[in-house]
Amino acid sequence: NAGVTQTPKFQVLKTGQSMTLQCAQDMNHNSMYWYRQDPGMGLRLIYYSASEGTTDKGEVPNGYNVSRLNKREFSLRLESAAPSQTSVYFCASRPLRGNTGELFFGEGSRLTVL
Amino acid sequence: KNQVEQSPQSLIILEGKNCTLQCNYTVSPFSNLRWYKQDTGRGPVSLTIMTFSENTKSNGRYTATLDADTKQSSLHITASQLSDSASYICVVSGNTGFQKLVFGTGTRLLVSP
Repeated sequence: NAGVTQTPKFQVLKTGQSMTLQCAQDMNHNSMYWYRQDPGMGLRLIYYSASEGTTDKGEVPNGYNVSRLNKREFSLRLESAAPSQTSVYFCASRPLRGNTGELFFGEGSRLTVL
Repeated sequence: KNQVEQSPQSLIILEGKNCTLQCNYTVSPFSNLRWYKQDTGRGPVSLTIMTFSENTKSNGRYTATLDADTKQSSLHITASQLSDSASYICVVSGNTGFQKLVFGTGTRLLVSP
């Protein structure tokens, strides 16, 4: 029962470096999401993928790119990391296309940009 | 603007005591409201979902209420345990577009022995 798996769990980058956060789910969910969580703020949507082959911007997409590699995997890429991207990143998936489906979250990836 | 406000921001209670967390929202139109529990260093996990027609729902020692008229929800924890120490996040879903989820900033609960 792996659920949603994120890697890496921790990462330290220097300003300007690039990296990719990986996410995979084994629940056969259609929709996948990337959120960031910062102190004092609610979870904010970066990008989402409603279904395999589609991706869309969320609330805070600037500085990020995503790839829905297949139904299981959804990656988040930082092309040129900035200190403002220091955050905890959560990948989530949801089984239903409608609004009642529960979000299943990964354990989070804590990123520090120096 | 669609918003979800939670109170208090943080709360400390003694083990065995009860507590109530509040969630007020302005999301419209309304579809449903979920309470998530987030343990430190972990991802959020759903506790319960409240739809428009539901007033109260229990999940063990957790009881959620919803007043759709006043746009308020509460999460009541009975006989608290140390393992209840976590952040509790209220998430409201609008029914225009399946991505319309509005997150509260959470209430951080500490249960002290």
